[in-house]
Amino acid sequence: EAGVAQSPRYKIIEKRQSVAFWCNPISGHATLYWYQQILGQGPKLLIQFQNNGVVDDSQLPKDRFSAERLKGVDSTLKIQPAKLEDSAVYLCASSLDYNNEQFFGPGTRLTVL
Amino acid sequence: AQSVTQLGSHVSVSEGALVLLRCNYSSSVPPYLFWYVQYPNQGLQLLLKYTSAATLVKGINGFEAEFKKSETSFHLTKPSAHMSDAAEYFCAVSDQQAGTALIFGKGTTLSVSS
Repeated sequence: EAGVAQSPRYKIIEKRQSVAFWCNPISGHATLYWYQQILGQGPKLLIQFQNNGVVDDSQLPKDRFSAERLKGVDSTLKIQPAKLEDSAVYLCASSLDYNNEQFFGPGTRLTVL
Repeated sequence: AQSVTQLGSHVSVSEGALVLLRCNYSSSVPPYLFWYVQYPNQGLQLLLKYTSAATLVKGINGFEAEFKKSETSFHLTKPSAHMSDAAEYFCAVSDQQAGTALIFGKGTTLSVSS
């Protein structure tokens, strides 16, 4: 069974630029999560989707971050414009349903200069 | 609100020694509790989880954890450390009924010396 795929694996941008990350969850998984992991900290939820609807985006900085999950499968996370403090690893996870084990992708490491 | 506290950001053990990584949680509802491991440049891998069944949970790679409600703890142990256990370990909690996303601790880096 293929795992959660993410791309790119690494991205370096300058502040005020925009960037987008892509996530392909495990086939058939209804729930998709985006987490932000800042160096030295545990992952923090940014947004949770159930199929193509948003369940929880209370910690998403909506003035600069946006995410979508069209057709309830793939998802993209965008930052526009980026700030220095956005430097982090962005992890995507999926689960069969909202109450099941989450499987994590390898993450995208973002560096904002 | 739920939260997790991992005591000790860095733990060092010798190969063959006991591994003990501490985790305390706070939750107003019955929690699900998890331990994840993260190797460099990789995603998180589930080691074990507590979902209100047996309080002693056995996971992969010889790890186990015991849920102690009276102490609000879920410490991770392994009787004998191996070099390959060197990684970062995260304790996490979620609301089992609401199926909320995971809330993670800050992590503990385990170093194993020969």
